[in-house]
Amino acid sequence: KAGVTQTPRYLIKTRGQQVTLSCSPISGHRSVSWYQQTPGQGLQFLFEYFSETQRNKGNFPGRFSGRQFSNSRSEMNVSTLELGDSALYLCASSTGTPDQPQHFGDGTRLSIL
Amino acid sequence: EDQVTQSPEALRLQEGESSSLNCSYTVSGLRGLFWYRQDPGKGPEFLFTLYSAGEEKEKERLKATLTKKESFLHITAPKPEDSATYLCAPRPSARQLTFGSGTQLTVLP
Repeated sequence: KAGVTQTPRYLIKTRGQQVTLSCSPISGHRSVSWYQQTPGQGLQFLFEYFSETQRNKGNFPGRFSGRQFSNSRSEMNVSTLELGDSALYLCASSTGTPDQPQHFGDGTRLSIL
Repeated sequence: EDQVTQSPEALRLQEGESSSLNCSYTVSGLRGLFWYRQDPGKGPEFLFTLYSAGEEKEKERLKATLTKKESFLHITAPKPEDSATYLCAPRPSARQLTFGSGTQLTVLP
């Protein structure tokens, strides 16, 4: 059974640009969550999508947005990139019920110059 | 406000030296507590879910336990391949997972 796939694995951008990251969940999973991981802040929740609707949102500015398609694939967009946005961005999929585990991809490493 | 504290931050063990990692949490309406293992450059890998106080789960050299305020990850006779960062994440009802900052475990041969 294929796991969660994130593309690209690495990205280098400059300040002010925007970026789109992609996540393909495990087949049959309808929930996709996005996290930002940095050495100082750890894993921080960005948002969760379930059946194309945003169900939960973390405390990040509006520059961070996402969407989910009818096949459950999800994209995350960050506009007007800042140096502090350099991080590992992780996507996790699950069935969507709170007591079921989320399964993570290996992330996209975003570096802002 | 939901809070999760993991201790110690880092732990170095000799191969075969058993120990425990701690995860203390304050959340309302716990729907489950999840343990993950994360290797450098990889995403977290799911290990266990615990649902209620008194529950225990085992996998190879790892055993996870849960009380109303804490969870422990016991590592018995660890091997170098057990070296990783271990993350716990309680899930409150109707809200997202809250991850602890992790325990970085190093097992020396």
